[in-house]
Amino acid sequence: EVHLVESGGGSVQPGGSLRLSCVASEFPFSHYWMHWVRQTPGKGLVWVSRISGDGSTTNYADSVKGRFTISRDNAKNTLYLQMNSLRAEDTAVYYCTRDCSGPSCWGLIDYWGQGTLVAVSS
Amino acid sequence: DIVMTQTPLSLSVTPGQPASISCKSSQNLLYSDGKTNLCWYLQKPGQSPQLLIYEVSNRFSGVPDRFSGGVSGTDFTLKISRVEAEDAGLYYCMQNIQLPYTFGQGTKVEIK
Repeated sequence: EVHLVESGGGSVQPGGSLRLSCVASEFPFSHYWMHWVRQTPGKGLVWVSRISGDGSTTNYADSVKGRFTISRDNAKNTLYLQMNSLRAEDTAVYYCTRDCSGPSCWGLIDYWGQGTLVAVSS
Repeated sequence: DIVMTQTPLSLSVTPGQPASISCKSSQNLLYSDGKTNLCWYLQKPGQSPQLLIYEVSNRFSGVPDRFSGGVSGTDFTLKISRVEAEDAGLYYCMQNIQLPYTFGQGTKVEIK
């Protein structure tokens, strides 16, 4: 079964940085687009970013564009989210998710990791 | 951005009874390939979301057939024919036709 394990969350002051990681297993990682989605009690689920299987294409939500960078290392089956200039409103549980990526299901988020909590506060 | 509006925001259901959740999109979710890109997730307490339904009415692998999805225009519906205790949690609709993908606010289903 698809396995996604996030790490790297924690507490950070406004303006600080964090890098989230997500180790994937039980599927051919390089063949799949991947997304980050975050969840807060107030705003619910919010899509953050996505990256193509080879890493050449990335997209971002307007709220994080210019501050967050999504990347991947296919040799390590690992997805990353570098978060800079963090703000209080970035406080959330961040989920690593897989895109189905097939010809009949491209764009569909089918599996989620367990999430990692990022808390931005002074 | 496409706005997804769910109703109701909470629901209390007796086991064995049906339940229905609605989700309305602000734009048409019909893609050029003829598919409609609307899906449903269930987040059980203390867990991450899990995919239930995709393309309006297709059940994901392992999802019981008591779950079904439908559409009328831009109004989407998730139905549970006979609610079981394990169905408790937060249900979300999501559109995946256009970036940024957007979710409904969530519907909390409580089992009486």
